[in-house]
Amino acid sequence: DAMVIQNPRYQVTQFGKPVTLSCSQTLNHNVMYWYQQKSSQAPKLLFHYYDKDFNNEADTPDNFQSRRPNTSFCFLDIRSPGLGDAAMYLCATSKSAGTIGSYNEQFFGPGTRLTVL
Amino acid sequence: KQEVTQIPAALSVPEGENLVLNCSFTDSAIYNLQWFRQDPGKGLTSLLLIQSSQREQTSGRLNASLDKSSGRSTLYIAASQPGDSATYLCAVDRGSTLGRLYFGRGTQLTVWP
Repeated sequence: DAMVIQNPRYQVTQFGKPVTLSCSQTLNHNVMYWYQQKSSQAPKLLFHYYDKDFNNEADTPDNFQSRRPNTSFCFLDIRSPGLGDAAMYLCATSKSAGTIGSYNEQFFGPGTRLTVL
Repeated sequence: KQEVTQIPAALSVPEGENLVLNCSFTDSAIYNLQWFRQDPGKGLTSLLLIQSSQREQTSGRLNASLDKSSGRSTLYIAASQPGDSATYLCAVDRGSTLGRLYFGRGTQLTVWP
């Protein structure tokens, strides 16, 4: 089945220790997104890729970086995690024709829950 | 800035009831609205997508309506079951080329036997 896969499902890191979260997709979608969701809050978009073009949200901290080496994979790097970065990180994909209104459904992975000690 | 509000924040009903979840948004210039389900500690599962030219979508026991002019959407769940227990989130797309979604905080639904 075509799907969005996130690894690991649970990640524990220490304060200040860099961590990388992984997302892969078999849907062949051209757009990939990273969201942060804190407990009982709405998911918040961090950044997204349209093909290889990176788009950062204005309020995403510099501590968060992303890489997309190919269509299938996208990584979220947190350079120096703080206690406030503990959250569920959600990866999503969609297929866009690149024109306004051509947006299709976003499909989400199962998420990675990050704990910062 | 687009603000999305979902009411109620939590809902507890007995099995078999028909129920309505509400979503409102401040900027009516949207292209699409999507309803998601989220089980505890899990990712989001897409339930229904309503395009701006549509007024409703149906899937099984779920029916979602959209009224752009009033900035409202409702998700109707018929004959609720314990397996429907989850958090339901709505999200709107303001029509960028990349489908940026603005989410509400969700309605936490509990259906008891």
